[in-house]
Amino acid sequence: RKEVEQDPGPFNVPEGATVAFNCTYSNSASQSFFWYRQDCRKEPKLLMSVYSSGNEDGRFTAQLNRASQYISLLIRDSKLSDSATYLCVVNGAGGSYIPTFGRGTSLIVHP
Amino acid sequence: DAMVIQNPRYQVTQFGKPVTLSCSQTLNHNVMYWYQQKSSQAPKLLFHYYDKDFNNEADTPDNFQSRRPNTSFCFLDIRSPGLGDAAMYLCATSREGDRKYEQYFGPGTRLTVT
Repeated sequence: RKEVEQDPGPFNVPEGATVAFNCTYSNSASQSFFWYRQDCRKEPKLLMSVYSSGNEDGRFTAQLNRASQYISLLIRDSKLSDSATYLCVVNGAGGSYIPTFGRGTSLIVHP
Repeated sequence: DAMVIQNPRYQVTQFGKPVTLSCSQTLNHNVMYWYQQKSSQAPKLLFHYYDKDFNNEADTPDNFQSRRPNTSFCFLDIRSPGLGDAAMYLCATSREGDRKYEQYFGPGTRLTVT
């Protein structure tokens, strides 16, 4: 089993749709969780850290489910500019600063 | 603005000709990472520095070396590039602290091997 797994997609949705991505991780002792966004041929950029209580930033909501070992990202009212690859990143146990990346989920928002 | 800078943005080298990629940061972060990313794949960690301590990933080929002369700069040396080393090379930084090692990436260097 891979350490961090994501559905690669692509998720093809119309503008205004709500879309959700899940990411599962295998290390139950993991403590830090992130979503990054990566545009084609660009570097990953931090979208959100994921906290135990869940967190929201505008149209984006991230949730953490420790019992089931997954994190989720919900995007409401999708915009064309949301088209990108969304990378799930999990840092290891004990405050480890070594991240493990999922392979990313591709989102295509069309008019 | 504080940032991570990589030079060059594009590098073309010949098969077997050594190449050096550079990374600098104004964030004063103590951890610096080098990743290799190929098309449609996740970034693959090559090695990282925690302060001055170098940490090599077990599956990083010996062909890849790194130097960190000071906190701000880090270099990736590819001693004898092969065609399979063509990729995007990403430098990232993070800081020990409350944000639990959020990473900040440079724009990357796209390496072509001819």
